[in-house]
Amino acid sequence: GQQLNQSPQSMFIQEGEDVSMNCTSSSIFNTWLWYKQDPGEGPVLLIALYKAGELTSNGRLTAQFGITRKDSFLNISASIPSDVGIYFCSGGDSWGKLQFGAGTQVVVTP
Amino acid sequence: NAGVTQTPKFRILKIGQSMTLQCTQDMNHNYMYWYRQDPGMGLKLIYYSVGAGITDKGEVPNGYNVSRSTTEDFPLRLELAAPSQTSVYFCASSATRTTTYEQYFGPGTRLTVT
Repeated sequence: GQQLNQSPQSMFIQEGEDVSMNCTSSSIFNTWLWYKQDPGEGPVLLIALYKAGELTSNGRLTAQFGITRKDSFLNISASIPSDVGIYFCSGGDSWGKLQFGAGTQVVVTP
Repeated sequence: NAGVTQTPKFRILKIGQSMTLQCTQDMNHNYMYWYRQDPGMGLKLIYYSVGAGITDKGEVPNGYNVSRSTTEDFPLRLELAAPSQTSVYFCASSATRTTTYEQYFGPGTRLTVT
C-alpha cells in the first residue's frame, strides 16, 4: 500500500515551546487528518483537511494540506504537559480508506 | 455517551486458539473498521464494513474474519491464533461517505499470542 513518511519519530521539548511535525507521501491523497493517541487509548481526531492548500486551526493546533496533495504538517504552539502523546498523520485515499504514518512521539518537560 | 466500545481490553491466547474481539458503537454509524497497531508503527486496516451485511478486506486481512449483522456490532474473529497476531487491535466507526475519513476509535484490545 501507499507509504506515509512521518517525521520526526520523536521529540523532546520544553513546556512553552512550539512543535512542528510533517508527513509526506509518494502518492496523492484526497484528505489529510491528524490524530493524537494517549497511552492505552485509541487515536482521537484533532484536525481534518479536505482541500489542497487548506490551513486549519484548532486551538493551539494548526495543520496544512500541501498544495501537491502529497504532504501535510502539524504545528502545536506554546506546548503544555497534556500535549504529550503520539501524533499520527493519515491520508484518505479515493476509496475512502485511511493510511497512517508511524507517528511522532512528543514528550514535554516542565 | 459511550461511542465505540471494545471488549476485552486485554487477552492472552495460546497458539492455535480462537477468539472473537467485540466492537459496538452507539452513534448509528454506517461505516466500521478494524485496525491493528504494532509497536512503533501506524495503524493497518484489517477489514471494514460500509453497512450491515457488507464487509470487505483491508490491507492485512489474512488470519481474520468479520461479520456485520447489525449496524451497531462489528466483531473480529481470529480462528487459529499465531504469534504474528500479537498486536493492539482498534475498532473505529464513521458516519457517512462524505465524512468517512473522520473516524472515531475505541480504546483498543491488547492481544498477546504465546
